Amino acid sequence: GAGVSQSPRYKVAKRGQDVALRCDPISGHVSLFWYQQALGQGPEFLTYFQNEAQLDKSGLPSDRFFAERPEGSVSTLKIQRTQQEDSAVYLCASSTRPSGGLYNEQFFGPGTRLTVL
Amino acid sequence: AQSVTQLDSHVSVSEGTPVLLRCNYSSSYSPSLFWYVQHPNKGLQLLLKYTSAATLVKGINGFEAEFKKSETSFHLTKPSAHMSDAAEYFCVVSVDYKYIFGTGTRLKVLA
Repeated sequence: GAGVSQSPRYKVAKRGQDVALRCDPISGHVSLFWYQQALGQGPEFLTYFQNEAQLDKSGLPSDRFFAERPEGSVSTLKIQRTQQEDSAVYLCASSTRPSGGLYNEQFFGPGTRLTVL
Repeated sequence: AQSVTQLDSHVSVSEGTPVLLRCNYSSSYSPSLFWYVQHPNKGLQLLLKYTSAATLVKGINGFEAEFKKSETSFHLTKPSAHMSDAAEYFCVVSVDYKYIFGTGTRLKVLA
């Protein structure tokens, strides 16, 4: 069956450029998450959606980062005026249950590797 | 605050020998705990999860983990390593909906 997909898989941007990263969650999954994984580190939470509502954006590192999920399915993470410190793998995950689901497994996509030159 | 500590950043074992990857957690509540594996250029895959039904949890590919509340540990084990086990392993504590990852342990399997 189809899992979580992300595109592009690799993105190279010049400093100052805007980028948009796409996530297609598993069909019917209510919850969607974005994580940032710096080289040699574990993923860190960025933001969480329940359907189209962004319930938590506490992990977004700056106001240059923006995420949306307008129809409650596909999500886009946008980074404006990219900086070198934004270079990382951006992971998307989805799960079946809404927030508060104990033992709620998240299913991860392959990630988008962003390199800012 | 909830957190997770993976005690070893790198572990090397010989093929056919046991694997032990250590994880300690800190949680104010009864935790949800997971182990994920990440192969190069692949997505994170769930190995196993602690559901409170049993302290010894069996996962895929022969992996197990034991939840020890008194030691706040959730170590991952496998009796016999295979070359295909070489990967990065992450211990995760879940706080409501949010995952908090450890820094990862890179497992190397020597022929």
